[in-house]
Amino acid sequence: DTGVSQDPRHKITKRGQNVTFRCDPISEHNRLYWYRQTLGQGPEFLTYFQNEAQLEKSRLLSDRFSAERPKGSFSTLEIQRTEQGDSAMYLCASSLGTGSQETQYFGPGTRLLVL
Amino acid sequence: AQSVTQLGSHVSVSEGALVLLRCNYSSSVPPYLFWYVQYPNQGLQLLLKYTSAATLVKGINGFEAEFKKSETSFHLTKPSAHMSDAAEYFCAVRATDSWGKLQFGAGTQVVVTP
Repeated sequence: DTGVSQDPRHKITKRGQNVTFRCDPISEHNRLYWYRQTLGQGPEFLTYFQNEAQLEKSRLLSDRFSAERPKGSFSTLEIQRTEQGDSAMYLCASSLGTGSQETQYFGPGTRLLVL
Repeated sequence: AQSVTQLGSHVSVSEGALVLLRCNYSSSVPPYLFWYVQYPNQGLQLLLKYTSAATLVKGINGFEAEFKKSETSFHLTKPSAHMSDAAEYFCAVRATDSWGKLQFGAGTQVVVTP
């Protein structure tokens, strides 16, 4: 069990550029979540995958955001035409099981700064 | 709809003193409740969770939390603070009848003084 990994750990980009983040969940975890955390706040839910199916998207996920999880393994989160308001920590979590047995394990996050 | 409120965005405790972090939830039925810790520039680590079994839940690093339905609370405590406890702590809630989306509080930053 190597834990959830995320790449890159830090990203600085200019407004208007596109960025893509990757999340590798714990092996065999069928659920994968993306959260966004702004300074001084708790994480906010963005989207959720069960295997390769994206089952829910938050209203926070505008049309500029897209997430994929091909083959139900790693996931990518892309932000097009970045804005300064997109600056945040993007966290990925994975889990296995349902109900009371489910526990989400978080990766170290990708910190995005949009200039 | 459910929500969680953490009272106090910053808490300062002396090394060796009691740590008490407050969390209140709002939910039509008792949800699952979690405490996570986040060290600087790191992701979240689960400290403990309540899933309707024992109301007093013991977690890692000497932390424990008590679920009180009458007070809709899930406060986190540690009898004796250590310097390594300096971090940000998040309370989170999840509905028992849904999939796993967590709703987090705003967090409490803990500072431990010698």
